[in-house]
Amino acid sequence: GQNIDQPTEMTATEGAIVQINCTYQTSGFNGLFWYQQHAGEAPTFLSYNVLDGLEEKGRFSSFLSRSKGYSYLLLKELQMKDSASYLCAVRDPLVMTTDSWGKFQFGAGTQVVVTP
Amino acid sequence: GAVVSQHPSWVICKSGTSVKIECRSLDFQATTMFWYRQFPKQSLMLMATSNEGSKATYEQGVEKDKFLINHASLTLSTLTVTSAHPEDSSFYICSARDIRDQPQHFGDGTRLSIL
Repeated sequence: GQNIDQPTEMTATEGAIVQINCTYQTSGFNGLFWYQQHAGEAPTFLSYNVLDGLEEKGRFSSFLSRSKGYSYLLLKELQMKDSASYLCAVRDPLVMTTDSWGKFQFGAGTQVVVTP
Repeated sequence: GAVVSQHPSWVICKSGTSVKIECRSLDFQATTMFWYRQFPKQSLMLMATSNEGSKATYEQGVEKDKFLINHASLTLSTLTVTSAHPEDSSFYICSARDIRDQPQHFGDGTRLSIL
């Protein structure tokens, strides 16, 4: 079956670095996406990886290893506004859907709490 | 770029009312749009996927007669919750994907409360 696992909650101090891990077991793979969701708001897109390696976008970086079914999102120089839920999503082209790119499978999200 | 507008943000109405939620892609054409539902402290649950000009594909357990989806143009999809009841109260979020781009981009969501 489809399985996306990420930790439920992480706490870190302002200015620190936090790494959110995501492991997945899906029928197929066509990209892994990270979204940020503040309480009561919709998710916003952060980054995606389709090939192995590191993608860097300012304070946020995302890493992918397809052979290990593993990704992480790295948040550097944490700010209070980074307190949010971070969702890992895998797009699976082998799951039937009307989107030709494949179906997004979302993890349950990791709640990051940034403390002063 | 890639802005998705969802309207309304909040709806409070009586049981039995039908509620329509609009989702628009403002600066791109979205051949595919998605409707999600999210309960507090839970992840997104995909309800249906719709392509412009064709019928939506509903996920297992989602009643198509209860949640009517219309994707009439490349920039607009609507979700109508028919004869809403308190158990339909939830946070509904749409997303759209640009045919030229990889990720889904989400609207701001609609918080629906049925009294």
